[in-house]
Formats: sequence, structure tokens, C-alpha cells
Amino acid sequence: RKEVEQDPGPFNVPEGATVAFNCTYSNSASQSFFWYRQDCRKEPKLLMSVYSSGNEDGRFTAQLNRASQYISLLIRDSKLSDSATYLCAVRTNTGGFKTIFGAGTRLFVKA
Amino acid sequence: DGGITQSPKYLFRKEGQNVTLSCEQNLNHDAMYWYRQDPGQGLRLIYYSQIVNDFQKGDIAEGYSVSREKKESFPLTVTSAQKNPTAFYLCASSVGHTIQETQYFGPGTRLLVL
Repeated sequence: RKEVEQDPGPFNVPEGATVAFNCTYSNSASQSFFWYRQDCRKEPKLLMSVYSSGNEDGRFTAQLNRASQYISLLIRDSKLSDSATYLCAVRTNTGGFKTIFGAGTRLFVKA
Repeated sequence: DGGITQSPKYLFRKEGQNVTLSCEQNLNHDAMYWYRQDPGQGLRLIYYSQIVNDFQKGDIAEGYSVSREKKESFPLTVTSAQKNPTAFYLCASSVGHTIQETQYFGPGTRLLVL
């Protein structure tokens, strides 16, 4: 089992839709969680950090469920410009701090 | 204008050749990292450095080498021992190396083997 798993998608949604992605992690000692956005052939850019139960920034909401070991990203009122790959990252202390990235979920928002 | 720069954007390697990828940051960050990204896979850690003159192997260090002689710079050498070097290489940095550190990425170098 991978340490951090994401549904690769693609998720195809119309403009204005609400879409949610999940990211599961296997190490219960994980303490910090991040969502990054990556456009095609570009670097990942930080979207949101999640340290407690959740975080909200405009149309984007991240939730952390420690009991079930997953984080979610909810995008409301999707825009064409939201089309990208969304990577989750989990930071764990396993004899040293380590950030493990998921392979990403692809989102296409259609007009 | 603070940030992380990587050069070149594209790099071509011949068989048996060592190549060096540049990574520079002016964010005054202590920690720097090198990742490799292959299609359909998550980022994999090659090397990281918490402080000048110190670096640690990541999960896939074989065939790679690094140096950290200056705080701003963390170059990665892909040696001829790396048999499958074609990938997208990303350099990242963070303020420090704690459990809550957020990593910020440079624009990446795409390495192709001729």
C-alpha cells in the first residue's frame, strides 16, 4: 500500500460545479498536511496547509479526518482556471521529518 | 523579487555523461530539497539539506550527488550511474526542517537522455 494515495481521476466537471478529492495516508503519526496545485509541465504551487481539522480559503476548503486518515479538498463554483492536477502532501516524523507526496488528481473544468 | 530559480529549463544528457542541475534561492531558507517526478507518480525525494555543508540521502539517492557550500545554492549532479535519468527534477526549499515546514518549489528542470 502506498503511503499517500489519491484517485488519479480525471475528474471532468462543468463550470460552477462543486468537486471534492480525497487523499488517504497510511502513517498515523503524520502531523502536517498540504494541498498543492500543479499545472501541466510546471512546478507544484502551495494551495493550502492543514494543521488542525481544516482550513478554508475562498472557494477552497480542506478537511482533515485523523480517525479515518484522510484529507479532502473541496472546490466550490469551479472555474475553467481550476483545471490542473492537485497533489496532496503529508509530513511525518519517522526518525526524521519527511514529506510524502501523492501522485495527484487531475481535474478538468469544462465550459 | 524572492524565489527559487532552476536552470536550465531543459537538459539533454548523452550516455556516460554527468550533468549538473542548478538550484538557487534568495528566500534565506535553511533547508533545500531535490525531488524527481515521473509521469503518474508522486514526487520522490533524492537528497535534502537542512543547513550549509550538510546533506542527507532521500529515498532514491543512487546515481545522484549534491553539495551545499552556500546557503543559497544546492546543485544536483546526475551521474552516469543513474540508468534512467529522464524525469522532471524539482528543487524546493523551506524556512527550516520541522514538522510544520511548508516547501516551495522552483520551476523545474526537464532532463532528457539522447
